[in-house]
Amino acid sequence: QKEVEQDPGPLSVPEGAIVSLNCTYSNSAFQYFMWYRQYSRKGPELLMYTYSSGNKEDGRFTAQVDKSSKYISLFIRDSQPSDSATYLCASYTGRRALTFGSGTRLQVQP
Amino acid sequence: DSGVTQTPKHLITATGQRVTLRCSPRSGDLSVYWYQQSLDQGLQFLIQYYNGEERAKGNILERFSAQQFPDLHSELNLSSLELGDSALYFCASSVGASGEETQYFGPGTRLLVL
Repeated sequence: QKEVEQDPGPLSVPEGAIVSLNCTYSNSAFQYFMWYRQYSRKGPELLMYTYSSGNKEDGRFTAQVDKSSKYISLFIRDSQPSDSATYLCASYTGRRALTFGSGTRLQVQP
Repeated sequence: DSGVTQTPKHLITATGQRVTLRCSPRSGDLSVYWYQQSLDQGLQFLIQYYNGEERAKGNILERFSAQQFPDLHSELNLSSLELGDSALYFCASSVGASGEETQYFGPGTRLLVL
């Protein structure tokens, strides 16, 4: 079993929809949680970062961590075609290295 | 543009061969990370160097090795290549040694082993 699990999708939504992307993790030692966005043929780029449980909002993006259920979410409001990309969740214990989910491919239809 | 450069962009080689991938981190970043991304395994951490020293090791095969030079650029050496080594190889850099810092990824090297 992978330490971070993510539905690969693809997830297809119409422009303007609210998108919910989710990951589950198994390692209770994870303390830091990130979302990376990866456009086709590009390297991943950091989108959101949270420490421990709670919500963090940045513009149209909201990251949510529920440590009790080991659940990580990213919400995208008013989704745009430019949001079409693969979204990778990542977690970190504070000791080794980032552990990435396999990524969810999102397609926002104009 | 993240400021991290990787060469070459594409590499096609044969099984049994050896290749070297090169990475230059962002100016001021001391850590370099190497990742392998394949369709079935996702993004897998291979190894991290910080200021010339190996800092953390992930699922890196014995056939693979890396080093970071005094000018902080890094090279990933892949030898005795197998078909299954075909993947995207990413380098990332960060300012410090800690894994929770923002990592800036390069554009990747696409390796195809025939």
